[in-house]
Amino acid sequence: AQSVTQPDIHITVSEGASLELRCNYSYGATPYLFWYVQSPGQGLQLLLKYFSGDTLVQGIKGFEAEFKRSQSSFNLRKPSVHWSDAAEYFCAVGPYNTDKLIFGTGTRLQVFP
Amino acid sequence: EPEVTQTPSHQVTQMGQEVILRCVPISNHLYFYWYRQILGQKVEFLVSFYNNEISEKSEIFDDQFSVERPDGSNFTLKIRSTKLEDSAMYFCASRTPDRQNTEAFFGQGTRLTVV
Repeated sequence: AQSVTQPDIHITVSEGASLELRCNYSYGATPYLFWYVQSPGQGLQLLLKYFSGDTLVQGIKGFEAEFKRSQSSFNLRKPSVHWSDAAEYFCAVGPYNTDKLIFGTGTRLQVFP
Repeated sequence: EPEVTQTPSHQVTQMGQEVILRCVPISNHLYFYWYRQILGQKVEFLVSFYNNEISEKSEIFDDQFSVERPDGSNFTLKIRSTKLEDSAMYFCASRTPDRQNTEAFFGQGTRLTVV
């Protein structure tokens, strides 16, 4: 079955530190891959997406993600975290043969000054 | 920047009552979706809608649920007889017809509380 795993439920970092949020997916072919962010009380905002081509994709707010086929991973990174990045981050998979997104359980990011 | 708009932002209803959640998708989008997020859990797909009919639905989307596009702009989710376990944040999303290189845009959500 198709699934998305975000192993880290909660991550705490200091402002200015680097960040990596992990995402692994289970799927037979290369799916479409997404990272969404949800700030408290807000909806889901797309950070970045991967459909094909260059495996390193750039998104908004200084985020990037790298698709690694051999590891079935799509980890999200940011070199220097800002306090405003505190939010919940969701990795999602959009298999090409269906029209729905499958979300991971999310990683809650806390940023300390 | 165009956005998906959902109303109301928060709705409280008594168990057994009918509720209608409303969404205005982005104007040139043709695919529409409802997702839900029970507090503390993952976002789950409910249903997708295209060309005035359901194209895909999850096992969650049982006979209690229905969707409709009553006019050219609104997209609604109706829960016929709400249960306590329907309490969740409901997200509407839409996207353009071109699935290649496009993504779903989500609304801010409607928090439904069933008491």
